[in-house]
Parts: sequence; structure tokens; C-alpha cells
Amino acid sequence: QSALTQPRSVSGSPGQSVTISCTGTSSDVGGYKYVSWYQQHPGKAPKLMIYDVSQRPSGVPDRFSGSKSGNTASLTISGLQADDEADYYCSSYAGSYSWVFGGGTELTVL
Amino acid sequence: QVQLQQWGAGLLRPSETLSLTCAVYGGSFSGHYWNWIRQSPGKGLEWIGEINSSGMTRYNPSLTSRVTISVYTSKNQFSLNLTSVTAADTAVYYCARANFEYSSSSDYWGQGTLVTVSS
Repeated sequence: QSALTQPRSVSGSPGQSVTISCTGTSSDVGGYKYVSWYQQHPGKAPKLMIYDVSQRPSGVPDRFSGSKSGNTASLTISGLQADDEADYYCSSYAGSYSWVFGGGTELTVL
Repeated sequence: QVQLQQWGAGLLRPSETLSLTCAVYGGSFSGHYWNWIRQSPGKGLEWIGEINSSGMTRYNPSLTSRVTISVYTSKNQFSLNLTSVTAADTAVYYCARANFEYSSSSDYWGQGTLVTVSS
């Protein structure tokens, strides 16, 4: 069970869109619809932003969207805002009632 | 409003046992699984395991030999024990609720406990 692969960092200017990728295998991301995304500000606990690949929990702005193709899931943030600057983690069901996370991506809003 | 409050020892010697407890306030305790997740300094998140109110557990295969998660339903609490700790177990440990409505994604989290393993 290896960690999912995410880019170490991405950046964008206010108002722009950015996409963060999350690459796994057919045993996790590619095999199930259970991909989640979390936002984490420094010193804070993670916050659920996306579940089931593309679903948003109540209260999460529709600027946040998710998708998946094969073994790679993606989180897109449109209309970037200063408060979006944070670390983002993907997570996937990995079979046998276990879960795996990505290494995290640092988003910088320029 | 659901709140998770966690506590436990923050400094351990190598080979000791890590023990943390998480109390759940608000919401349904019996209707969810309850997670432990850790984050090593400057690194990503790692799922440790989960338990439901009936005591059914599921563990990360890489930690299963050292991990025990227990539940105390009458108190709406659950706990984590991790034996034979080493420096590699130094991390912020979080408890979290796995919400079936969100396909067991974690929607409420504790405040985190920094556990340092050092001789």
C-alpha cells in the first residue's frame, strides 16, 4: 500500500484556475469511486472538500471540483482566492477496508 | 455540532506505547466509524485505522502488528494504542469521524496531538 503521488507544489494568481493531480494504481484510485480531497491550512486539521471523486459536502463552494480518469484523480479550483492557499491531500479507498493518502500539494496563490 | 476532543501523552521514549483518547460530542456516535490518522512533520497523512461502536476494527496493514483501537460507547470515546514506538512514529495524530454519508470520508476532526518519540 503506497502513498498516492501528488505534485509537491502548484501556484496560480487570484481569479485563475489550478488543477492538482493525484496518481495511484488500479488497486486504489483506478479501482474505486472513493476518492476524497482535503484542504489543510497551517496548524489546522484537514477539511473535507470533495468525496466520491466529484461530490462536494455541504458548505464547500462550487469553485472546487473533482474528476478522475483511469488511475489519476484531479482537483480543480477555479476563481482562486487568497484563502485557498493551503496544502491539499487526496485520499482513496485501497481495498480490504483500508485507505491511502497522497503526499500533499502546497498551493500558493501569487 | 459535532466536536472531537483528543488527549494523550506528547513525549515518549523509544519502545514505549503511545496512547491517545478521543471524545465525541454531538451527533450520532453509533452511526459512524471513527478514524485515527497521523501526519509526520513536513509529510503527508497516513491512515492508521478505524473502529465502530460495536468494536469492529480495520487497520493499516503496515501498522496492524502494533496498533490497537478500542471503543468506549458509554462515554462516546475511542482510543489508540501504538506499541514499540520509534522516532518514525513522531507525528501529529488526529482522530476523525468517517461519515457514511460521504462514503466514509472524514468530515469532523480532532485538534491533533503532537507525539514526539525521543530518547
